[in-house]
Amino acid sequence: NAGVMQNPRHLVRRRGQEARLRCSPMKGHSHVYWYRQLPEEGLKFMVYLQKENIIDESGMPKERFSAEFPKEGPSILRIQQVVRGDSAAYFCASSPPSDYEQYFGPGTRLTVT
Amino acid sequence: GQNIDQPTEMTATEGAIVQINCTYQTSGFNGLFWYQQHAGEAPTFLSYNVLDGLEEKGRFSSFLSRSKGYSYLLLKELQMKDSASYLCAVRVIEKLVFGTGTRLLVSP
Repeated sequence: NAGVMQNPRHLVRRRGQEARLRCSPMKGHSHVYWYRQLPEEGLKFMVYLQKENIIDESGMPKERFSAEFPKEGPSILRIQQVVRGDSAAYFCASSPPSDYEQYFGPGTRLTVT
Repeated sequence: GQNIDQPTEMTATEGAIVQINCTYQTSGFNGLFWYQQHAGEAPTFLSYNVLDGLEEKGRFSSFLSRSKGYSYLLLKELQMKDSASYLCAVRVIEKLVFGTGTRLLVSP
């Protein structure tokens, strides 16, 4: 059973461009979570999604950030008009229904130049 | 508000025992997790406590006191490969609220 997959692993964008981060959960997992880790800081919750539904987006910045988890395909975290402060590691985690453990993917390291 | 405190850094010697403390004040509580994270890698699950007491798993043990808002992770027979960051996280409803992590350096 493959683990949580994220791609790309590294992404470089210039200020003002768009960044798209993809997350494929483990087989059988219908819950997806996105976390951001700024340099020298802890992981911060961004958004929790189930298939076709955003359940909790209390950690998402109000502007430029959006997330989706369509019926088919990976979950996407989209950052429009990136700024230098968006440079961070973005981790996706997944869990099956009715299970407490979240399994983390390897992360996408976004660098904004 | 959510507040989770753990020491920033600890050092220990190979073969020794180390205890990493975590105190928390959160708006809800559905369990406490400990994760290990090596530099540049994903967090990996170590333990989960939802009831008070000690959970033991090999060289790692985790303790929880809900009334005190307190947990610790105990690592025994330290090995060099245990050098990593250890993250305390409280599950609030479905999301995890993380502390900033404790960087553990194990020396020979």
